[in-house]
Amino acid sequence: QLQLQESGPGLVKPSETLSLTCTVSSDSIRSSSYHWGWIRQPPGKGLEWIGNMYFGGSTYYNPSLKSRVTISADTSKNQFSLRLTSATAADTAVYYCVRRRTGSSWRDCWGQGTLVTVSS
Amino acid sequence: QSALTQPASVSGSPGQSITISCTGTSSDIGNYNYVSWYQQHPGKAPNVLIYDVSNRPSGVSNRFSGSKSGNTASLTISGLQAEDEGDYYCNSYTSTSTWVFGGGTKLTVL
Repeated sequence: QLQLQESGPGLVKPSETLSLTCTVSSDSIRSSSYHWGWIRQPPGKGLEWIGNMYFGGSTYYNPSLKSRVTISADTSKNQFSLRLTSATAADTAVYYCVRRRTGSSWRDCWGQGTLVTVSS
Repeated sequence: QSALTQPASVSGSPGQSITISCTGTSSDIGNYNYVSWYQQHPGKAPNVLIYDVSNRPSGVSNRFSGSKSGNTASLTISGLQAEDEGDYYCNSYTSTSTWVFGGGTKLTVL
């Protein structure tokens, strides 16, 4: 059964880079059937789409984060990653890695989420 | 891009039906059938209820249904149950190849 697992520091200092990795089991991120992405949720607030990637294709980002965010893949480890530079307290959130079926709005698999706090 | 507009809260009694609206623009909901709905319980990851406006994944109760008219999508829950209480989010593809969520709706089962 497919599982997505987020990993990375739970505490990031302001102005530093927030980095998270999503490990994908039981499926390949090279598959043309899926897109892989990140969604976040600040404490007590709603969901925010960060961006997604398609292996061998384009990567798209939320315009409000585009200047600071990078999503990339490491096929040797079957992982994909999120980098968010110049972190501020506003980036404090639970971060989810997500799989979406190509050609559909169906996000059929979510990681459990990981809380990242930006604080000195 | 602006968030899709959802009511902050809705409520209903067990057995009743409720509808949650999600209003966008011609640049998102109005021009694409890529609308999905998610249910989230406290401390849990969201779970998909509806995708591509009206499709329901296997395992999701047929009490949940989705539709769209113009720039507004809707999620209807029939036969309301206590376990339906939680937060609901809509999501749509946009003309800039990005995705946008609604602000979320808190459902209370009275």
